[in-house]
This record gives sequence, C-alpha cells and structure tokens, in this order.
Amino acid sequence: DGGITQSPKYLFRKEGQNVTLSCEQNLNHDAMYWYRQDPGQGLRLIYYSQIVNDFQKGDIAEGYSVSREKKESFPLTVTSAQKNPTAFYLCASSLLLGGGRDEQFFGPGTRLTVL
Amino acid sequence: QKEVEQNSGPLSVPEGAIASLNCTYSDRGSQSFFWYRQYSGKSPELIMSIYSNGDKEDGRFTAQLNKASQYVSLLIRDSQPSDSATYLCAVIARNFNKFYFGSGTKLNVKP
Repeated sequence: DGGITQSPKYLFRKEGQNVTLSCEQNLNHDAMYWYRQDPGQGLRLIYYSQIVNDFQKGDIAEGYSVSREKKESFPLTVTSAQKNPTAFYLCASSLLLGGGRDEQFFGPGTRLTVL
Repeated sequence: QKEVEQNSGPLSVPEGAIASLNCTYSDRGSQSFFWYRQYSGKSPELIMSIYSNGDKEDGRFTAQLNKASQYVSLLIRDSQPSDSATYLCAVIARNFNKFYFGSGTKLNVKP
C-alpha cells in the first residue's frame, strides 16, 4: 500500500528533552513538509524539503530541526529550545508538477505532549 | 491580515440539506485552491482541488472559485452525518512553494 506513515502516534516529552518524529513515504513524492496544528487553529508550516539534502524554513522553524538524507524520509526533531511544543504534528508530501498543481497528502500525525 | 480566512463555525445543517462553506484569500496572485476534510483527532484528507474560475463537481461536492472576488467555496449536497468534520481551505502562494491553510470551518450535520 502506498502512503505516508508517521511514528509514534503519541509521544510524551519531559522538559529539556529532544525528541524525533518519524515521517516516511513510499509514494515517490519529491517534496515533504512538516506542519504543526494547535487546537482551533490552522496548520502552520515548520519546514519543507523539495529535494534530498536540501530543506527550507517555514513560518515557525525556531526550536525545530530536520534532515532529508533519503527521498522517502523527513524526520523532525523537536529540541528543548521549542518552548511550547505540545501540539499535533503532521507530515505531508507532494509531487512537484509545476504550475502550482501540487496536491499535498498527509500522514496520520503524531500528537506530542510535554509533561 | 491572514492569507486565508474561514468562518470557524460551527455550521449546522439538517441531513439532506446543502452545506455551503466559504473561504477568502488575500494574495490576488494565488493560483491553486484546495479543500481538505479533517475529522476530530485525525489528519486532513484532500477532497477537492480547483485551479480556474467557475465550478468543479465531484460527486456530492462542488468547489466554486471566483478569483476576482478572491473567494472559494465548497458545496456539499445531500449532507450526511458522516460529513460532520472540520473543512480546511488551502491556497498555494504565487511562488508555488508554500501552502497557506485557513483555520477551518466546523460542520455539524444533524440527523
């Protein structure tokens, strides 16, 4: 089955800890994205990558880091510098068709809670 | 000003009625528009995309785009209780490498 997987589904972090969220896709999509969703709010872009070994900051990159060593994988690390990390984290991917017709598809999400 | 604006709702409609969801966007150069459905606690699911002015129909769903008014809407005909969810409007910025999402409209379809 083709799709996007995220793990873990639920993650609990203690203050001062770094944690890494996994995102894998087998859709052969070029681009991958990380979003954060807080209750009652829309999705905010953290980082995105359009090609292996390259990524760009989104609107709320502070306190987060990413890597893109393989086309299929785009892990997100939430560092201790992120002061309010409790949120629902969503990974997405898309083909890069050009002309703005790049539909994004989402993984199931990881719910992170700081204890 | 937010790039994409939606009424948060909730919008309540009876089963079998037409639900009308609306979205406005600020960047006149935006080219691509999407509607996602998100059930509580789940991730967004793409249901419609529209790129040119006018209507696009897919089953019970119709997306409508009016670029002059910077307005995109989603109509759901014969609404079902299973349509109860939050509907997110998304727009690709003119430089084609960023999506902007609205905060969503919560739809309740009452049996």
